[in-house]
Amino acid sequence: AQSVAQPEDQVNVAEGNPLTVKCTYSVSGNPYLFWYVQYPNRGLQFLLKYITGDNLVKGSYGFEAEFNKSQTSFHLKKPSALVSDSALYFCAVSPNTDKLIFGTGTRLQVFP
Amino acid sequence: DSGVTQTPKHLITATGQRVTLRCSPRSGDLSVYWYQQSLDQGLQFLIQYYNGEERAKGNILERFSAQQFPDLHSELNLSSLELGDSALYFCASSRRELTNEKLFFGSGTQLSVL
Repeated sequence: AQSVAQPEDQVNVAEGNPLTVKCTYSVSGNPYLFWYVQYPNRGLQFLLKYITGDNLVKGSYGFEAEFNKSQTSFHLKKPSALVSDSALYFCAVSPNTDKLIFGTGTRLQVFP
Repeated sequence: DSGVTQTPKHLITATGQRVTLRCSPRSGDLSVYWYQQSLDQGLQFLIQYYNGEERAKGNILERFSAQQFPDLHSELNLSSLELGDSALYFCASSRRELTNEKLFFGSGTQLSVL
């Protein structure tokens, strides 16, 4: 079955430190991969998208994601976390043009 | 601001009742998606409309229905409400019908069934 896994319910990191939010997927073919962020009392906002090409994708707010085909992973990263990055992060996979599958979300908490 | 408008922001109702949630997509977007977000189920895809026609169906209950009107706004109707229907309902829109496009989400309607 096609699926997306975000193995960590919560990630805690100190401000200024690098952060990683993990995502792995199980779909056939060459999927499109996304990260979205949800701030409190808001809808999801698009961060970045991988289609093909360079395995490192740069997105909004200084975030980037690394695509690893052999490990079927698409981890979200940021070199230096901000307190304002604290939010709920969703990984999503589109295995074709007819389906979009979201992960269960990872809550990122950045401590000052 | 994503450009997607959802009303109402909050809705409190009783079991057995029927409610209608409304969504206006971004200007120029033809595709509307409905999602349900709850603590135990995460973000669940309900249904997608494209230019007035149903395009894809997810985990939508038979008690729920939706439609997209000629002006492209969409309504999600929830009937015979149960306590378990309490959730945050999101609408999202995109330019075309393809799911590999970026989605723009509204701020959601928080439904509380008492």
